[in-house]
Amino acid sequence: QITLKESGPTLVKPTQTLTLTCTFSGFSLSTSGVGVGWIRQPPGKALEWLALIYWDDDKRYSPSLKSRLTITKDTSKNQVVLTMTNMDPVDTATYYCAHLDGVYYGSGSYGDWFDPWGQGTLVTVSS
Amino acid sequence: QSVLTQPPSASGTPGQRVTISCSGSSSNIGSNTVNWYQQLPGTAPKLLIYSNNQRPSGVPDRFSGSKSGTSASLAISGLQSEDEADYYCAAWDDSLNGSWVFGGGTKLTVL
Repeated sequence: QITLKESGPTLVKPTQTLTLTCTFSGFSLSTSGVGVGWIRQPPGKALEWLALIYWDDDKRYSPSLKSRLTITKDTSKNQVVLTMTNMDPVDTATYYCAHLDGVYYGSGSYGDWFDPWGQGTLVTVSS
Repeated sequence: QSVLTQPPSASGTPGQRVTISCSGSSSNIGSNTVNWYQQLPGTAPKLLIYSNNQRPSGVPDRFSGSKSGTSASLAISGLQSEDEADYYCAAWDDSLNGSWVFGGGTKLTVL
């Protein structure tokens, strides 16, 4: 059974750096094809993908937030860490981490998806 | 403004069939598979449909997905009160260095 749980501060001040940790179990981030992603959701708004790290340490970032984000992994601790610099009140949101799974269908066709998701952690940005 | 376009709301009565659309472009839905997530009030999103039309274990067959060109749809038949939730489509987008994109979400109300 795969589980993920987010941890970090619930309140940060504007301009500070946010550091969130995703601690997972039930899979290894050293297994080929596996990844962990971060997605956030402002109160009452839609989901927004932030970053993704693959088993081979390949990293992808949201183009609009790329300059502020860093994602890293610690395979031995089963953790993925996301840092976001220069926090602003508009960054107030529930932050989720999720396991990335996928399957190769052949002929160059591949599908992947986020499943399961952690419970999420609400981060408020306010002075 | 979300990259994938969904209607903000949908509704139906118990037993009805409801469909939710998701419109994208050649760089996302047009060239990659589509996933659907269900988010019940106050909970984390849950995978509902993956790879356009596949149901994870435990998801009732009342839920089905389809894709054609740069659009996808989620259909819910035999609507039940517990289906009242927010539904999001998502796909990988090949533009720039690649990124995941989500729809703006559709709030389904069971009347």
